[in-house]
Amino acid sequence: GAVVSQHPSRVICKSGTSVKIECRSLDFQATTMFWYRQFPKQSLMLMATSNEGSKATYEQGVEKDKFLINHASLTLSTLTVTSAHPEDSSFYICSAPPGGTTNEKLFFGSGTQLSVL
Amino acid sequence: DAKTTQPTSMDCAEGRAANLPCNHSTISGNEYVYWYRQIHSQGPQYIIHGLKNNETNEMASLIITEDRKSSTLILPHATLRDTAVYYCIVRVGRGNQFYFGTGTSLTVIP
Repeated sequence: GAVVSQHPSRVICKSGTSVKIECRSLDFQATTMFWYRQFPKQSLMLMATSNEGSKATYEQGVEKDKFLINHASLTLSTLTVTSAHPEDSSFYICSAPPGGTTNEKLFFGSGTQLSVL
Repeated sequence: DAKTTQPTSMDCAEGRAANLPCNHSTISGNEYVYWYRQIHSQGPQYIIHGLKNNETNEMASLIITEDRKSSTLILPHATLRDTAVYYCIVRVGRGNQFYFGTGTSLTVIP
C-alpha cells in the first residue's frame, strides 16, 4: 500500500533556531500534502495544504511566515518551523492522498515530535 | 471544521465487539465517512470508509444509517492492541481536507 515517510521522528532544538521536517510519498506522486499539528491529549489540527508547484494554503490562525511550506516535487513537501519557541513544541504530522479522486483515503506519516528548549 | 461528533471515551471487554458511534447530521450527498485510529505518538492509521452502503474489511465493519446522518464502526473482536483514539471524519470541501474532531478514546479491558 501507499506509504508516507516523515523525517525526523524526533527533534530537540534551542529556542530561536529553525527546524525542517520532511514528508515524502514513497510509492506514489502527491500533488497535494497536508500538514497537521497535535498538542498533548488533543486532536489533530490541520495547519496547511501543501500544493506542488504553487503556494501553500494555510488554515485560519496559522502564521505562514512562521511555518514555511515548500512542495518542491511530486514526492516531497517540507515544513520549516522558523525561529522556534517553546510554544511551538508539538507533534507534527503530514499526510497525502495517493490518488486524485474525492473518495481517496489519506495516508499519514509517523509524525515528528518537536521539542523546543 | 469537523462535521462529526463522537463520545469522548468508551470501554470494551477484550474479545467482545466494540461499537463506536458517530454523528454527522450535516453530511452532504457525495461526502464519504472515514474512520482512522491513532495510537499514542503515532500517525493516524486508516481503518475503513464508506458512502452509503455498509462496508467491511479485515479490520472492521462500517454501518451507515439510511439517512446517512450517523454511522457505527464495529471492531468484531476487540484486542488490547485496539486501544486507541478513533476518529470519524467527513471530508470537507473541494480541497478534500480532512478535519479531525475530538475522537473517541477506546480502552479495551482484559
